[in-house]
Amino acid sequence: TQLLEQSPQFLSIQEGENLTVYCNSSSVFSSLQWYRQEPGEGPVLLVTVVTGGEVKKLKRLTFQFGDARKDSSLHITAAQPGDTGLYLCAGVSGGGADGLTFGKGTHLIIQP
Amino acid sequence: SAVISQKPSRDICQRGTSLTIQCQVDSQVTMMFWYRQQPGQSLTLIATANQGSEATYESGFVIDKFPISRPNLTFSTLTVSNMSPEDSSIYLCSVYGPPSYNEQFFGPGTRLTVL
Repeated sequence: TQLLEQSPQFLSIQEGENLTVYCNSSSVFSSLQWYRQEPGEGPVLLVTVVTGGEVKKLKRLTFQFGDARKDSSLHITAAQPGDTGLYLCAGVSGGGADGLTFGKGTHLIIQP
Repeated sequence: SAVISQKPSRDICQRGTSLTIQCQVDSQVTMMFWYRQQPGQSLTLIATANQGSEATYESGFVIDKFPISRPNLTFSTLTVSNMSPEDSSIYLCSVYGPPSYNEQFFGPGTRLTVL
């Protein structure tokens, strides 16, 4: 069974601060996806990283896939209250036709 | 991206009853996935629903408890049978959608409370 360890599980910071969320595994994934979920809604896809060492930027969010494709990180610069939500990393194994393996999620609160 | 709708959006049910959740996609897809999200938790894959064959269940989930139908390439149902309070969760369906079909998109979820 492939596992994704996500940390921290809870994070509450002030507006304007930076933060990093980590997603680690002992298994190799063909790709890794990051989602953001707000209460009462389904997860919304933020980004997919596929290539080892890949870095993708989405405005103030920077996503990185480890060289060995076993870990990933999400860095948010100058966090804003609108960034509040549950952030989930999810790994895809095999040929990408399988269901996702999710980390436990990071509950992020940005205080104004 | 694929547009996915689910019915009902929420329900409150009595112990021992069953609830069928519907998932509709705006495009034809080979596989649909059903997940459970327990209160305050992450998502766990229940099963993969293929059109024309029986669903494939993950460890810890069985067909008698979570029967799934997949009558065509745009629709699936998940039934939660003989419910108990431990079944109170959000149930979500997802698909691999366009443009690359290597990214999963999720429905809004069905919030189930069992009394």
